[in-house]
Amino acid sequence: EVQLEESGGGLVQPGGSLKLSCGASGFTFSGAVMHWVRQAPGKGLEWVGRIRSKTNAYAKDYIPSVKDRFAISRDDSKKMTYLQMNSLKTEDTAVYYCTTFDYWGQGTLVTVSS
Amino acid sequence: DIQMAQSPSSLSASVGDRVTITCRTSQSINIFLNWYQQKPGKAPTLLIYTASNLQSGVPSRFSGSGSGTDFTLTINNLQPEDFATYYCQHNYNPPHTFGQGTSLEVK
Repeated sequence: EVQLEESGGGLVQPGGSLKLSCGASGFTFSGAVMHWVRQAPGKGLEWVGRIRSKTNAYAKDYIPSVKDRFAISRDDSKKMTYLQMNSLKTEDTAVYYCTTFDYWGQGTLVTVSS
Repeated sequence: DIQMAQSPSSLSASVGDRVTITCRTSQSINIFLNWYQQKPGKAPTLLIYTASNLQSGVPSRFSGSGSGTDFTLTINNLQPEDFATYYCQHNYNPPHTFGQGTSLEVK
């Protein structure tokens, strides 16, 4: 059974940092492109970024609004992907999902507020 | 970046109805389009990939069509569990933008 499980969400002040983790099981993680998608309260889905596999040099892509603040990484040996979020803004408040698009985690809530 | 225009934003229908949701992209994406269903408080689930392929386990009353810039999700014989929000998303090149969503509500 495929499982993705995010952790690390919580309340953080504007300007702060947070690192989300996503553990995977049930599929060949090392070959998968891993994406992060977020959803602000009451809003639609927003693709945040992705990290490709070792075969594709772990290439990363991001939306412009997070490009200089967020960093995606992965550890294939642990079947984990991470989203390091720095210089957080109130508009980053959202549920963050890790996903392969065909499989999704349950999401973790990040609240940026003073 | 590719822009997505999904319509309608909301839709009222009854059990047994047939409904259609459309998604238009700002440039051709071939067939690299996905459709998702999302229920309140839950993660999205993939319904259709590459425009017309039914994800494993998804009922056959769901179907997708289109290529290039115009795509359609059709749900035949609506069931009570189908009332949810639906999103299109392109998977052509990043950023993999989502449509604005269609809220399918009970009439």
